[in-house]
Amino acid sequence: GQQVMQIPQYQHVQEGEDFTTYCNSSTTLSNIQWYKQRPGGHPVFLIQLVKSGEVKKQKRLTFQFGEAKKNSSLHITATQTTDVGTYFCAGPMKTSYDKVIFGPGTSLSVIP
Amino acid sequence: NAGVTQTPKFQVLKTGQSMTLQCAQDMNHEYMSWYRQDPGMGLRLIHYSVGAGITDQGEVPNGYNVSRSTTEDFPLRLLSAAPSQTSVYFCASSPHRGAQPQHFGDGTRLSIL
Repeated sequence: GQQVMQIPQYQHVQEGEDFTTYCNSSTTLSNIQWYKQRPGGHPVFLIQLVKSGEVKKQKRLTFQFGEAKKNSSLHITATQTTDVGTYFCAGPMKTSYDKVIFGPGTSLSVIP
Repeated sequence: NAGVTQTPKFQVLKTGQSMTLQCAQDMNHEYMSWYRQDPGMGLRLIHYSVGAGITDQGEVPNGYNVSRSTTEDFPLRLLSAAPSQTSVYFCASSPHRGAQPQHFGDGTRLSIL
């Protein structure tokens, strides 16, 4: 069946270092979303990408959607302790646009 | 504006018991959905609804039931709780179908003994 994978599973960085997480789908996605979940919290919607090759920025966060619309990345420049959490990508399932499939997430730890 | 409200926040059940997890949104959103989150597995879709009176199964629907009698409410029922249903449950909403979940409730942490 359709799968969405993310790498790495865990990442520990020193505060101020950059961080990147990658999302790969087994099928093309019509769009992709990114979410952040703080420990003990609920997922928070960050952004949606729709177009092939699209790049969007939110302050220190840069999101990219691959040309083939099968992969995406989230890059954080100069991490801060407030960036700690798990980052998930998600997209609609091929079988139904109303069903969403999430990746397993990348857990980011930032060492002060 | 409360957003998405889930109750209860915590619950412990015995195997075989039934219960209903409540979810309500006050944003007049068309699309609502339920997910379970287990360690290392991300969120998995249980059931979803694209409007009042319309529900459908997600990725892991077995053992769960839903209904959508109003736009605001989308309760999730566990028919006969099993230890495998121990998880964190999130309800989410979006303005319309095809828009991926944008607002999540705080979650219900459910333990089945």
